[in-house]
Amino acid sequence: QLVLTQSPSASASLGASVKLTCTLSSGHSSYAIAWHQQQPEKGPRYLMKLNSDGSHSKGDGIPDRFSGSSSGAERYLTISSLQSEDEADYYCQTWGTGSWVFGGGTKLTVL
Amino acid sequence: QLQLQESGPGLVKPSETLSLTCTVSGGSISSSSYYWGWIRQPPGKGLEWIGSIYYSGSTYYNPSLKSRVTISVDTSKNQFSLKLSSVTAADTAVYYCARSLSGHPLDYWGQGTLVTVSS
Repeated sequence: QLVLTQSPSASASLGASVKLTCTLSSGHSSYAIAWHQQQPEKGPRYLMKLNSDGSHSKGDGIPDRFSGSSSGAERYLTISSLQSEDEADYYCQTWGTGSWVFGGGTKLTVL
Repeated sequence: QLQLQESGPGLVKPSETLSLTCTVSGGSISSSSYYWGWIRQPPGKGLEWIGSIYYSGSTYYNPSLKSRVTISVDTSKNQFSLKLSSVTAADTAVYYCARSLSGHPLDYWGQGTLVTVSS
């Protein structure tokens, strides 16, 4: 079964960097994923598609501060030079034929 | 720029059918190889995929909701719709419509609409 696992919470200081992790379930380590950001009281926004080789393509208008990388079954989202508006929930997402699968989300707090 | 906008009643009574529509602008819902789908988010919780419809008309539903869900498309209005029957309080959530290209992730979301199930 295709499952995405995320840590429930993370925190980092203003101006610092943070790396969020999304882990694919066993047997699915070659899958690409996407990262989505949901700021408080807003709908989700697509950030990027992240492939198993670490290559990624970002959505329109996504700042260079957001980047992705991969290692085995793990997919990472790194946010550098953290700003207050980066405080949000971050969801990873993958897909099958016609189906969409979400991780549980990571709540990022900017200190 | 593609835009998706959900619409429908904000309050539904228990045991009744929840009906929502997503209007697509800035692009055609008939475009080849696109999926159009629904996702929900209960208050304070994460995202749950409800179901999707392919441009060809094929439908795919979350097994946990399959017996209660119907998704359809109206190409003349550039809209797609969700019907969820026999609702309970557990179906209270913000409902989002979204799009993906086959083999690619979701790339456009609607702003979401809150549906409360209560008598």
